[in-house]
Amino acid sequence: AQTVTQSQPEMSVQEAETVTLSCTYDTSESDYYLFWYKQPPSRQMILVIRQEAYKQQNATENRFSVNFQKAAKSFSLKISDSQLGDAAMYFCAYGGSQGNLIFGKGTKLSVKP
Amino acid sequence: GAGVSQSPSNKVTEKGKDVELRCDPISGHTALYWYRQSLGQGLEFLIYFQGNSAPDKSGLPSDRFSAERTGGSVSTLTIQRTQQEDSAVYLCASSHGGGFSSYEQYFGPGTRLTVT
Repeated sequence: AQTVTQSQPEMSVQEAETVTLSCTYDTSESDYYLFWYKQPPSRQMILVIRQEAYKQQNATENRFSVNFQKAAKSFSLKISDSQLGDAAMYFCAYGGSQGNLIFGKGTKLSVKP
Repeated sequence: GAGVSQSPSNKVTEKGKDVELRCDPISGHTALYWYRQSLGQGLEFLIYFQGNSAPDKSGLPSDRFSAERTGGSVSTLTIQRTQQEDSAVYLCASSHGGGFSSYEQYFGPGTRLTVT
């Protein structure tokens, strides 16, 4: 069975600085997708970024980028130029052949002004 | 366009009562998912619909939980004889396709269920 592990329950970053959130996963599948979702206090889950496992190039969306290491089964999220609005829970998720997403337990990110 | 909507937003019920949670997916989305988020936990998969059929019910925690989807659109999650451990936020998501998670899942705002 696939598993997703986020080892940092909480992280803090100064506004305008850079922070990296860690995620590791375990799977025997060769074809899959990885996601980072953001959940602010409103509870609304918002997709931040997506990575296809067959692509070697790391995905980038504006200030958000990932470091995807397939052999190490690692998928970290880097947030550059952190903003107050980035404060939220961040969930790493695995999507494979089953269709549903498998989520880590999340990292709570605080942004200090 | 409209996103995924869920009702009620919050529900408080007494232990032993039945509850129904509703999800309206994005129009045209064929796949619909239910997840449960307990306090301080990640999201736990409950059930997945492709159209009106549920190829994967493996996540339902007990036979007190059931779900249906009609007309390939609205879905209801029913919890019978609620227990305190059922207290959680229930999230619904929909996507264009299913069977493989290449499609982005769009989430609703969730229903917070509290069993007293």
